[in-house]
Amino acid sequence: GAGVSQSPRYKVAKRGQDVALRCDPISGHVSLFWYQQALGQGPEFLTYFQNEAQLDKSGLPSDRFFAERPEGSVSTLKIQRTQQEDSAVYLCASSRVQGSGNTIYFGEGSWLTVV
Amino acid sequence: GENVEQHPSTLSVQEGDSAVIKCTYSDSASNYFPWYKQELGKGPQLIIDIRSNVGEKKDQRIAVTLNKTAKHFSLHITETQPEDSAVYFCAAAISGSARQLTFGSGTQLTVLP
Repeated sequence: GAGVSQSPRYKVAKRGQDVALRCDPISGHVSLFWYQQALGQGPEFLTYFQNEAQLDKSGLPSDRFFAERPEGSVSTLKIQRTQQEDSAVYLCASSRVQGSGNTIYFGEGSWLTVV
Repeated sequence: GENVEQHPSTLSVQEGDSAVIKCTYSDSASNYFPWYKQELGKGPQLIIDIRSNVGEKKDQRIAVTLNKTAKHFSLHITETQPEDSAVYFCAAAISGSARQLTFGSGTQLTVLP
């Protein structure tokens, strides 16, 4: 597609429910990132993939958060046993290759509200 | 790790005036500094970026300056228009690494007609 596509755009989950957020990066983009953006704040890094390899997951806030990219294209961010503090916008981003000179493009985000 | 501070948090200007947003960073290894514009309900959109081998970059009404010694960089928007109203984020990263961006806390720019 023309841009990074995320689904669902909006999700309301009951506390304790599991959620899965999907990201379709720009075709051919090797690098894929997940960021979390709380209301009124800048995005914060969660995890990074290069193709199917998860090279950095240092930003994942707890072991309830899990991300995968099994075939090196589509990625899924899964949150188990959601808590109210998980309410945020989850942004996916991709870039053509790793390294200098490569713009990182963001999707529109998945807005998660945990009630 | 990297820490990016951004000021001001809100900025109102009259249409046609200039707007300046400033950021400082802490990690001297950072060498890539993008600026993103985020409209309500949308993802961040890159508007301009600068690498540490240059001190200034311009693209029409938008310019970014970088002072590596002082570790700060600024976004300048001239001849502001109402459609420039949005939240602007600065960010910093180490080029050549995983390129994870560290963002500032954002500036809500309002251009008054």
